[in-house]
Amino acid sequence: GQQLNQSPQSMFIQEGEDVSMNCTSSSIFNTWLWYKQDPGEGPVLLIALYKAGELTSNGRLTAQFGITRKDSFLNISASIPSDVGIYFCAGLIQGAQKLVFGQGTRLTINP
Amino acid sequence: DTAVSQTPKYLVTQMGNDKSIKCEQNLGHDTMYWYKQDSKKFLKIMFSYNNKELIINETVPNRFSPKSPDKAHLNLHINSLELGDSAVYFCASSLRGGYTFGSGTRLTVV
Repeated sequence: GQQLNQSPQSMFIQEGEDVSMNCTSSSIFNTWLWYKQDPGEGPVLLIALYKAGELTSNGRLTAQFGITRKDSFLNISASIPSDVGIYFCAGLIQGAQKLVFGQGTRLTINP
Repeated sequence: DTAVSQTPKYLVTQMGNDKSIKCEQNLGHDTMYWYKQDSKKFLKIMFSYNNKELIINETVPNRFSPKSPDKAHLNLHINSLELGDSAVYFCASSLRGGYTFGSGTRLTVV
């Protein structure tokens, strides 16, 4: 089945630093989504990408849909304590109506 | 207003019991899902329903039976619970690719 490889698995950074994480796949996806999960909560959508090459920002977050449609990255600039959590990439195959998730990146921020 | 709500939030039960988790969405979405998140936080789809019809069943044991009485509800019934069923179960709904998740039900089987 389809698999997404997300890296890094965990990050420990200082407040104010920039963060970068990415996802790759052997399969082509028509949509890439980036989610954040806080403890005890469900994943919350951060950014959705619908076209190859698309670059989208949401505040301090920027994500790109790779040209090959097999990868995506998420950048967070000037990290703050509330950025702590687990970030997931997810890919959607058109018509499959099934979201496939990466393994997650756990972000820890030292104040 | 909670968009996707699931109950209960926590469920502790003994092996062999039967339990249900309920999910409701008020977003008007036509597709609903159940996902399982294991102890390593990996999220995997279990079932998908579109307009009350089952469209995805990802090799889940038949002890798990989803039921969708209408478009806004998707419940999950689990028979003969096993220790390995302990996980967090998320309900989600979508319309044209936009997925919204509930806050999860943490199931602990003892």
